[in-house]
Amino acid sequence: AQKITQTQPGMFVQEKEAVTLDCTYDTSDPSYGLFWYKQPSSGEMIFLIYQGSYDQQNATEGRYSLNFQKARKSANLVISASQLGDSAMYFCAMRLPTGNQFYFGTGTSLTVIP
Amino acid sequence: GAVVSQHPSRVICKSGTSVKIECRSLDFQATTMFWYRQFPKQSLMLMATSNEGSKATYEQGVEKDKFLINHASLTLSTLTVTSAHPEDSSFYICSAREGALETDTQYFGPGTRLTVL
Repeated sequence: AQKITQTQPGMFVQEKEAVTLDCTYDTSDPSYGLFWYKQPSSGEMIFLIYQGSYDQQNATEGRYSLNFQKARKSANLVISASQLGDSAMYFCAMRLPTGNQFYFGTGTSLTVIP
Repeated sequence: GAVVSQHPSRVICKSGTSVKIECRSLDFQATTMFWYRQFPKQSLMLMATSNEGSKATYEQGVEKDKFLINHASLTLSTLTVTSAHPEDSSFYICSAREGALETDTQYFGPGTRLTVL
């Protein structure tokens, strides 16, 4: 069963505007970690932001913030003031306490338009 | 953040040959390393989990005799694609984790693009 769902295969945003990338997850574990990674065309996976299931506040890292709605099981990434360098694939991932692996979503391709 | 390196970044080989890919954690000790495979425009698929000093745990459908994984030290894991065929052509990415908690971030290497002719 799909544990991480990213419903937006592609997104466009105007430079300097904000954009929200959607991510929903499915787990019955009370403890889990949610991650967002950026993958530019070079292929490397760049860690952006982390949200723990018990965290009371939404995570923020510079221009990145995570809109964590636990009841809805969503962990949307918000990028403020988009830059051309933000154009990349973005993956949402979840880590559960049982087992080791990350469960990745299918990714969202973001294109920032000048 | 922590740095993970992979070598080589790109390799082209003939069908039937073996290719070794190295994954190193440069500034931390990684108790666990992971190997992923990514097809064009698709998500990452976990191939195996590698723990230092023990046998790797392979995901369902991954041939352990074809994809040999060795985690010789806390900073080095290797993936060897044996008798490579064109269908093995893919982007292989490793990641490393320092701790064992679900909150511990995985740091990814830059990836290795394998092309089998």
